[in-house]
Amino acid sequence: NAGVTQTPKFRVLKTGQSMTLLCAQDMNHEYMYWYRQDPGMGLRLIHYSVGEGTTAKGEVPDGYNVSRLKKQNFLLGLESAAPSQTSVYFCASSVRDSFYEQYFGPGTRLTVT
Amino acid sequence: KQEVTQIPAALSVPEGENLVLNCSFTDSAIYNLQWFRQDPGKGLTSLLLIQSSQREQTSGRLNASLDKSSGRSTLYIAASQPGDSATYLCAVAYSGAGSYQLTFGKGTKLSVIP
Repeated sequence: NAGVTQTPKFRVLKTGQSMTLLCAQDMNHEYMYWYRQDPGMGLRLIHYSVGEGTTAKGEVPDGYNVSRLKKQNFLLGLESAAPSQTSVYFCASSVRDSFYEQYFGPGTRLTVT
Repeated sequence: KQEVTQIPAALSVPEGENLVLNCSFTDSAIYNLQWFRQDPGKGLTSLLLIQSSQREQTSGRLNASLDKSSGRSTLYIAASQPGDSATYLCAVAYSGAGSYQLTFGKGTKLSVIP
């Protein structure tokens, strides 16, 4: 099993550009999450999903949108990138049967210039 | 709002030493607590998960304890090795809208010196 994968691994954007980060999991997990990790701030939840077709806001949702059209995929979109969105983005998934233990992807390093 | 604190922020020990990493949280109404390891430039690897009804969990040289009433958890690493060098993150799970969400501490960066 590949577990949780993220595409791309690295990306550089100019201010105002848009992009989509893709997260895929092959563990049939119901729940999926997007986090950002910044120096001195720790990991913060952006958005999450409790199932196909559902999404909800986390702690820092502004400037991001998400979609969960298929159970195995969770997309994070930046419509108009800002330098403040320079960060490392992590996706995670979990399932109720494992007490919601979260499994993380390898991350996407995004720089907005 | 749940807050998670990890002390110290960094720790350097000689190889072979036993060590303890600390995690404290402000709201005892947690569902579970997870300890993660993060290597530089990598994702998070789950080490141990302790359910709120449990007192401790063990995996190999790692032992994690949980005292919900005092809002504390410790991660004990026995006979440390240079390969244990990494950042260790503590996270507590609480009930959100239809799911359980994690609040993370900022981590303890561990260096094990050969």
